[in-house]
Amino acid sequence: AQTVTQSQPEMSVQEAETVTLSCTYDTSENNYYLFWYKQPPSRQMILVIRQEAYKQQNATENRFSVNFQKAAKSFSLKISDSQLGDTAMYFCAFMKRPNDYKLSFGAGTTVTVRA
Amino acid sequence: NAGVTQTPKFRVLKTGQSMTLLCAQDMNHEYMYWYRQDPGMGLRLIHYSVGEGTTAKGEVPDGYNVSRLKKQNFLLGLESAAPSQTSVYFCASSQRGDYGYTFGSGTRLTVV
Repeated sequence: AQTVTQSQPEMSVQEAETVTLSCTYDTSENNYYLFWYKQPPSRQMILVIRQEAYKQQNATENRFSVNFQKAAKSFSLKISDSQLGDTAMYFCAFMKRPNDYKLSFGAGTTVTVRA
Repeated sequence: NAGVTQTPKFRVLKTGQSMTLLCAQDMNHEYMYWYRQDPGMGLRLIHYSVGEGTTAKGEVPDGYNVSRLKKQNFLLGLESAAPSQTSVYFCASSQRGDYGYTFGSGTRLTVV
């Protein structure tokens, strides 16, 4: 399995502010996908954003955006205008291409949004 | 609603007991997966299937068996439960995977 490292076990942010979660990964592959998943207290895993390694442009989904640095093997998630509903554990995940559809997950970062 | 359904949602087992976790998806997905989630370790792949009648080992397969007799179902079995298998188990499915998975809501298993 690929190694995915999330070095921040917990983060706290004030409502309406911005928080950035870090993720690094170790691979010798050139072609892969990266994902961020959100797990709120309900335990449901929700896909937040995905990035294809061959695309230079960073992915964005509403208030969520990534900073993908391929050479540095870094894939950080920025949550802008944080809302109370963003309180959750966030997992970074890696998927090798082609035809290998297994996800390797990091240990997760717990984000708490304060009112 | 379409999705992945896991049963049961909670279960307590005694050491040495056996049980089967059920996973069903109604999206006609080819690929199905079983993960376990433990604090500080993220999700780790136990077994997966790339189609009806196929199974393969993941990262942590020991102590588990799986079967996929029908495309929509993926069963995870524990033949002789151990306290180390206390965890939250997630089933997921995907058509290919590069657009991510659809996850079930998880099963919290406690082995005492």
